[in-house]
Amino acid sequence: GAGVSQTPSNKVTEKGKYVELRCDPISGHTALYWYRQSLGQGPEFLIYFQGTGAADDSGLPNDRFFAVRPEGSVSTLKIQRTERGDSAVYLCASSRRSGMARGEQFFGPGTRLTVL
Amino acid sequence: DAKTTQPNSMESNEEEPVHLPCNHSTISGTDYIHWYRQLPSQGPEYVIHGLTSNVNNRMASLAIAEDRKSSTLILHRATLRDAAVYYCILLNFGNEKLTFGTGTRLTIIP
Repeated sequence: GAGVSQTPSNKVTEKGKYVELRCDPISGHTALYWYRQSLGQGPEFLIYFQGTGAADDSGLPNDRFFAVRPEGSVSTLKIQRTERGDSAVYLCASSRRSGMARGEQFFGPGTRLTVL
Repeated sequence: DAKTTQPNSMESNEEEPVHLPCNHSTISGTDYIHWYRQLPSQGPEYVIHGLTSNVNNRMASLAIAEDRKSSTLILHRATLRDAAVYYCILLNFGNEKLTFGTGTRLTIIP
């Protein structure tokens, strides 16, 4: 069965450029999460969607980061004016529903972003 | 959010049981204890979770102390494929975001 997929798997860009990272969640999963993982660290929460709306975007580091999920399925994480410090693995996860204390999140393989 | 404390690293021999400890002395009554693991170059993978009682599934067992201030993830028979970073995470009911620490890096010795 299809798991969470993320594209591209690797993205190299130059400082100041705009990038988009895509996440295809598991079919039927209503909740979608974005995390960022720097080298040697655990993943760090960025934003959570329930359906089409961003229910919690408290982890977005600044206004250069934005995410959308217009039809409640695929999500795109957008980063404007990239900086070298944005280099990390960006992870997407989905779950069947909210109320995650009792359930699990399914993670994709991540997109490795390198900003030169 | 209540925090967890785990050893930075552990080693175990292949085909032997592994006990991964986690301390969470400030856990609240509505915090669930979740374990995820992350194999090299992969996204995290759910392992198990519990609230008060010990839990078993096909991957592992979770032993929760009576006062809930600590827990232990038990891999009954470690294989080389179990080499990963294991994260112990507290998740309050109604909270959606997983807060990962640095976890325990488990090395399996053939």
